[in-house]
Amino acid sequence: EPEVTQTPSHQVTQMGQEVILRCVPISNHLYFYWYRQILGQKVEFLVSFYNNEISEKSEIFDDQFSVERPDGSNFTLKIRSTKLEDSAMYFCASSGDTYEQYFGPGTRLTVT
Amino acid sequence: QKEVEQDPGPLSVPEGAIVSLNCTYSNSAFQYFMWYRQYSRKGPELLMYTYSSGNKEDGRFTAQVDKSSKYISLFIRDSQPSDSATYLCAIEIQGGKLIFGQGTELSVKP
Repeated sequence: EPEVTQTPSHQVTQMGQEVILRCVPISNHLYFYWYRQILGQKVEFLVSFYNNEISEKSEIFDDQFSVERPDGSNFTLKIRSTKLEDSAMYFCASSGDTYEQYFGPGTRLTVT
Repeated sequence: QKEVEQDPGPLSVPEGAIVSLNCTYSNSAFQYFMWYRQYSRKGPELLMYTYSSGNKEDGRFTAQVDKSSKYISLFIRDSQPSDSATYLCAIEIQGGKLIFGQGTELSVKP
């Protein structure tokens, strides 16, 4: 069964460093998303991406964040200068032509 | 008023019980409703997807949407210890953006 994959599973970085989180969406999906979940809190929407453009973004997704689909299979989230409060689980999701979104296993980001 | 509200529980039931999980939402224009299951430190797993009102059944799971009350439910019949997880309701509000409830932590005791 096709699934969304994410790497790395755990990333530790120092405050102020740049990180890139990687995702491989389900192969025939066209819509891609990033969400995050701070420990003990709700899953929060960050951004949606379609046809090489951002479709929607939340207030969290400020200038420190960017997304890219660098090739036909990968979808990345970059945080330019990490802050302590960026520590969270980051989930990538993808969907086809419905709103059924399939999530990856997540990357746990720890900023020290 | 929050867009989606969900009782965080925890909810503990004996094996074989019928479980009822619920969420309320604020905007009657919402059309797409989902239930996810999340095990600790894992990604949400899509269980049910419903458009507009009515019921949808898949095995032991039934999703119900009552648009007049702005209320969505997930029923689990013959609950099993393997159903122990956190259950998240989610609503699509615009352009694929999902808003999640807080999640209800369910424990099914053998």
